[in-house]
Amino acid sequence: DQQVKQNSPSLSVQEGRISILNCDYTNSMFDYFLWYKKYPAEGPTFLISISSIKDKNEDGRFTVFLNKSAKHLSLHIVPSQPGDSAVYFCAASGANTDKLIFGTGTRLQVFP
Amino acid sequence: NAGVMQNPRHLVRRRGQEARLRCSPMKGHSHVYWYRQLPEEGLKFMVYLQKENIIDESGMPKERFSAEFPKEGPSILRIQQVVRGDSAAYFCASSLSTGLTNEKLFFGSGTQLSVL
Repeated sequence: DQQVKQNSPSLSVQEGRISILNCDYTNSMFDYFLWYKKYPAEGPTFLISISSIKDKNEDGRFTVFLNKSAKHLSLHIVPSQPGDSAVYFCAASGANTDKLIFGTGTRLQVFP
Repeated sequence: NAGVMQNPRHLVRRRGQEARLRCSPMKGHSHVYWYRQLPEEGLKFMVYLQKENIIDESGMPKERFSAEFPKEGPSILRIQQVVRGDSAAYFCASSLSTGLTNEKLFFGSGTQLSVL
């Protein structure tokens, strides 16, 4: 039962353009959402998060949008840079869970 | 300020051997999580421990796998009688406080287990 889903396994974007990574969840009890970035042979690193009381959180080039009614969140990266090429994981947690539930990841490739 | 430290980075075992994976959380963190990433898959939760206690092991296979986080020393993930299907990247993460609302996990670099 995949509670957090990232339906696009990969995404290719030109440098300077916007990258949009999507994530859907099924558990309405989730109230905190995070995005992690992972390079090969390294552990995931925290990128940005959002609480369910908000619908948007911005940090530099990264913005996360949350649509609770649709149980959907997205990560926008603008402008995209080659160094952003990595696997991006969406994760969620909630009041009745003691762990982060991760999606399957989206591999982003930013080409010049 | 050392982050989460995992060792070894790479571990090769033959079928039937035991694998021991170690994790030292970030300084001041008393909550440790183990995740497994199979090839081409996402991160799957295995177990959540606090010092000397297993809090949630709902993601652990029922047999051959065990975890501990003693009062002194690193957390250990132990896999007995390994099989080829155990080949994966095993990540440890730590957090400062209980409950993950508004809290994030810090991950180690992982241990890549290869079973021959």
